[in-house]
Amino acid sequence: DAGITQSPRHKVTETGTPVTLRCHQTENHRYMYWYRQDPGHGLRLIHYSYGVKDTDKGEVSDGYSVSRSKTEDFLLTLESATSSQTSVYFCAIRTGQNTEAFFGQGTRLTVV
Amino acid sequence: AQSVTQPDIHITVSEGASLELRCNYSYGATPYLFWYVQSPGQGLQLLLKYFSGDTLVQGIKGFEAEFKRSQSSFNLRKPSVHWSDAAEYFCAVGDKTSYDKVIFGPGTSLSVIP
Repeated sequence: DAGITQSPRHKVTETGTPVTLRCHQTENHRYMYWYRQDPGHGLRLIHYSYGVKDTDKGEVSDGYSVSRSKTEDFLLTLESATSSQTSVYFCAIRTGQNTEAFFGQGTRLTVV
Repeated sequence: AQSVTQPDIHITVSEGASLELRCNYSYGATPYLFWYVQSPGQGLQLLLKYFSGDTLVQGIKGFEAEFKRSQSSFNLRKPSVHWSDAAEYFCAVGDKTSYDKVIFGPGTSLSVIP
């Protein structure tokens, strides 16, 4: 699992509430990613990070923000959760520029 | 823009039969190509990858894939399927000019009949 831990693993929250998901890695890799997985869409990139305080938007970033104040932690925040953000969220790391991604176990988020 | 298509949403095969999962991509140059497998409730595990060189790539669990530039395809194959291969399979393409851009296909769900 490349030392990746996602927390929480499951969460149910109400529409309009803020939610933060955490991705923690133990190997100090620079490149970290947040994806969401929805049926029929595969995985879609939300945000990514090249290092501390260096983040950028992916293809489905609306409604999400991220922070990376330490190399090992990459936080994904839903400022005001909506039902369309019900999904499974995966964190991934890459060990270098031309390498594959390693994924965490995922967080299942339900917005009611 | 890059895109990945997996024409088969769901495939059912008998245990011991051969398997081929299709993947087509749209990309202007030679991409990086990946196949991942996801068991229920789990994260994604890399089966194999193609960066350059030999177009027939061997992976884990007895899988292989062949990169065909002329067909923009990267199909996954296995000569004899085991019941434990039942899972979701994702093809992905990486952009050599922008390593952050890895685009995933929608996935193919594989069921295996005993």
